[in-house]
Amino acid sequence: AQKITQTQPGMFVQEKEAVTLDCTYDTSDQSYGLFWYKQPSSGEMIFLIYQGSYDEQNATEGRYSLNFQKARKSANLVISASQLGDSAMYFCAMSLIYNQGGKLIFGQGTELSVKP
Amino acid sequence: EAGVVQSPRYKIIEKKQPVAFWCNPISGHNTLYWYLQNLGQGPELLIRYENEEAVDDSQLPKDRFSAERLKGVDSTLKIQPAELGDSAVYLCASSTDYGTYNEQFFGPGTRLTVL
Repeated sequence: AQKITQTQPGMFVQEKEAVTLDCTYDTSDQSYGLFWYKQPSSGEMIFLIYQGSYDEQNATEGRYSLNFQKARKSANLVISASQLGDSAMYFCAMSLIYNQGGKLIFGQGTELSVKP
Repeated sequence: EAGVVQSPRYKIIEKKQPVAFWCNPISGHNTLYWYLQNLGQGPELLIRYENEEAVDDSQLPKDRFSAERLKGVDSTLKIQPAELGDSAVYLCASSTDYGTYNEQFFGPGTRLTVL
């Protein structure tokens, strides 16, 4: 069965420091996509970054980078130079096209708190 | 470009009452999703539409939940009758395609409280 696991319910980081949010996934499919979304207290899900299973290089988007280790089935999110506005819930998600029609399977989330 | 619009943002009802949620996707997005997000959990797919066709409704509790997408644009999700356990956030999302890289754009959600 396809599954996303986020083992850190909550994380604290000092402003301007880097933080890594863990994500492991389980699938037997060879073709899949991995996403990270941010959900502030206002409730909307904000897309941050995407990594395809065949992408050889780790994805980067501004201060966000995805540490993709395919053999370990991990897709950790790294946020550099944390800002107070980064405080939110962060969800890792997986998309499977051939078996699931592209629906997103989400993990349980990690609540990040950035300290001034 | 306007984002995904959902209404109402908040809804409080008593159990056994009916309730409906409305979603207007981003213009041109042919795929529409309804997700259920329980407190402290990640969203879970309820139903996915390709244009006006429901192509994945395997997780939709059909005894009390129903959904429609008229003319392949707006969508309505209904619960009748609501139960206490239905208290959650209902998220609508849309995308242009359901390929592996199908960035889904989410609305702000409707927070339902059933008393």
